[in-house]
Amino acid sequence: DAKTTQPPSMDCAEGRAANLPCNHSTISGNEYVYWYRQIHSQGPQYIIHGLKNNETNEMASLIITEDRKSSTLILPHATLRDTAVYYCIVRDTGTASKLTFGTGTRLQVTL
Amino acid sequence: DAGITQSPRHKVTETGTPVTLRCHQTENHRYMYWYRQDPGHGLRLIHYSYGVKDTDKGEVSDGYSVSRSKTEDFLLTLESATSSQTSVYFCAISAGPGGEAEAFFGQGTRLTVV
Repeated sequence: DAKTTQPPSMDCAEGRAANLPCNHSTISGNEYVYWYRQIHSQGPQYIIHGLKNNETNEMASLIITEDRKSSTLILPHATLRDTAVYYCIVRDTGTASKLTFGTGTRLQVTL
Repeated sequence: DAGITQSPRHKVTETGTPVTLRCHQTENHRYMYWYRQDPGHGLRLIHYSYGVKDTDKGEVSDGYSVSRSKTEDFLLTLESATSSQTSVYFCAISAGPGGEAEAFFGQGTRLTVV
């Protein structure tokens, strides 16, 4: 699986959009981009995933560049409850492909 | 939330004793995974299963075994617990094998080996 690079930490004011970048320059054509987050020591929570096109769900939007070498997770209106570690992962379509978690981005949402 | 239950949620055990952790799902998903999470290492895959009685090793499988006799249950056994196995263990499930199927995680089991 391709490796990802994320900034170790970011701050965001409550109510503002949080834009979390991820670099995955070695991604291959059959690898999906996934985002998870982990609040305190709870289990990782699935947020969103995509292959080529931008995706949006009730939690967030995922913007993938045309060359697929980077992506951005957007939380449109961050709240204090969005404070967490956010993981960007690439995952292929192979048999039982595992999720390889890096160290993620620690997002701190402040008043 | 996906129907995943891990048990026990917390356990303290002595070095050298066997320990079994259970992951139970109500989603009828084919794929199940066991991860451990330690400070500075993120989540690392221990074992996974791609069907009843079908399992394979992950990157940190030494000292662990698994069994899956039913679709809904995936058991992780520490044959002889060591202090290095003190960790938080997460189970995950997925409907499909790879990138097109999202994986959902349980709430974790905090294991302390003394």
